[in-house]
Amino acid sequence: DAKTTQPPSMDCAEGRAANLPCNHSTISGNEYVYWYRQIHSQGPQYIIHGLKNNETNEMASLIITEDRKSSTLILPHATLRDTAVYYCIVMDSNYQLIWGAGTKLIIKP
Amino acid sequence: DAGVIQSPRHEVTEMGQEVTLRCKPISGHNSLFWYRQTMMRGLELLIYFNNNVPIDDSGMPEDRFSAKMPNASFSTLKIQPSEPRDSAVYFCASSFVGGLQTQYFGPGTRLLVL
Repeated sequence: DAKTTQPPSMDCAEGRAANLPCNHSTISGNEYVYWYRQIHSQGPQYIIHGLKNNETNEMASLIITEDRKSSTLILPHATLRDTAVYYCIVMDSNYQLIWGAGTKLIIKP
Repeated sequence: DAGVIQSPRHEVTEMGQEVTLRCKPISGHNSLFWYRQTMMRGLELLIYFNNNVPIDDSGMPEDRFSAKMPNASFSTLKIQPSEPRDSAVYFCASSFVGGLQTQYFGPGTRLLVL
């Protein structure tokens, strides 16, 4: 199963773009990359997912490299409420999400 | 839609007691997942159901844990007897198989076993 590697923590200034990297060098051709976040004391929240092409929704943008070995989640204008743990996940062949430790993103005023 | 509903939100019990956690998935979803989260081990998948049938229970810690899904709108996770090491946050999530498997999580049940 593909695994992901993320930095344990990151800081970002309020109002700036937060760019969260993720490596998934063993990803298979038909495996999607998912991003979730978990705000303290809440359940994980779906953000975005993608296969090959870059994706954008109301919450974030997902940039996937051409070789699909890494991706970046972009929060275009971070707010204090975006402080959370962000998980980059690759769905395995059994349609299960394999969770790692995530990146703790702290938005500073 | 109300989202995934879990009850109770908090549970404090004594070692040896039976604990039952409940989950109502999002209407129309046909896959349901039970997770456990602790500081030490992070988020772990315990079991998941597809169309009310358990598909993979390899994450269930031991025989003290059991899960059922009697119908498409209800599932339970039972711990009997409970132990202090079972203290954790238990999340239920649901998704629609046939779509892209995006899982939607409930608020969780915080369990403390004394």
